[in-house]
Amino acid sequence: EVQLVESGGGLVQPGGSLRVSCSASGFIFRTYWMSWVRQAPGKGLEWVANIKEDGTEKFYAGSVKGRFTISRDNAKKSLYLQMNTLRAEDTAVYYCARFPYAFLTGGYFDLWGRGTLVTVSS
Amino acid sequence: SFELTQPPSVSVSPGQTARITCSGDVLPNQYSFWYQQKPGLAPFLVIFKDNERPSGIPDRFSGSSSGTTVTLTITGVQAEDEGDYYCQSADGSGSWMFGGGTKLTVL
Repeated sequence: EVQLVESGGGLVQPGGSLRVSCSASGFIFRTYWMSWVRQAPGKGLEWVANIKEDGTEKFYAGSVKGRFTISRDNAKKSLYLQMNTLRAEDTAVYYCARFPYAFLTGGYFDLWGRGTLVTVSS
Repeated sequence: SFELTQPPSVSVSPGQTARITCSGDVLPNQYSFWYQQKPGLAPFLVIFKDNERPSGIPDRFSGSSSGTTVTLTITGVQAEDEGDYYCQSADGSGSWMFGGGTKLTVL
């Protein structure tokens, strides 16, 4: 079955760190760009970060640049998001998404996981 | 960065046509994509590259583009189409964006 499964969410204090993970199955993980998208409670979708198939290119939203790091392990078919210096406004469901990128199309999110909730609170 | 603007809400009766717009300066030069999300569930893609449907998406869903505005049209709306809809695009230099979302209510 083609699917993405996130894990690692939880409660963390402001200023703390957390790493969330995403396990892929049912498709050739190493041939796709991958992404993280988040959704704060009751709010809309916000793109967070993208990573190229081989991990050599990474892009971040301005709201997380310098604090979050996206990475991947193609051998383990896994995607990660290391989140440092967390703030209350980072509280959200974090979705892992497959991102078929091509220069001419700009890229989109064609497969989503169910998400993992990260709560930043004291 | 750039912005994509959607109306907060659209309401239609069953069987009618719903049109959800998305406006942004990048749209004449970048493709648009549309996602549906129901409460408590992950979003999923309903339109890609302005007007193409992924397999499994009913043909009552269609997309169009005109200048700085793209439109998701749902013809013959059904109760199951109720949910939140998001447009998405890119700026061509490493930034991607969603619109604020539109809540579709089927009366």
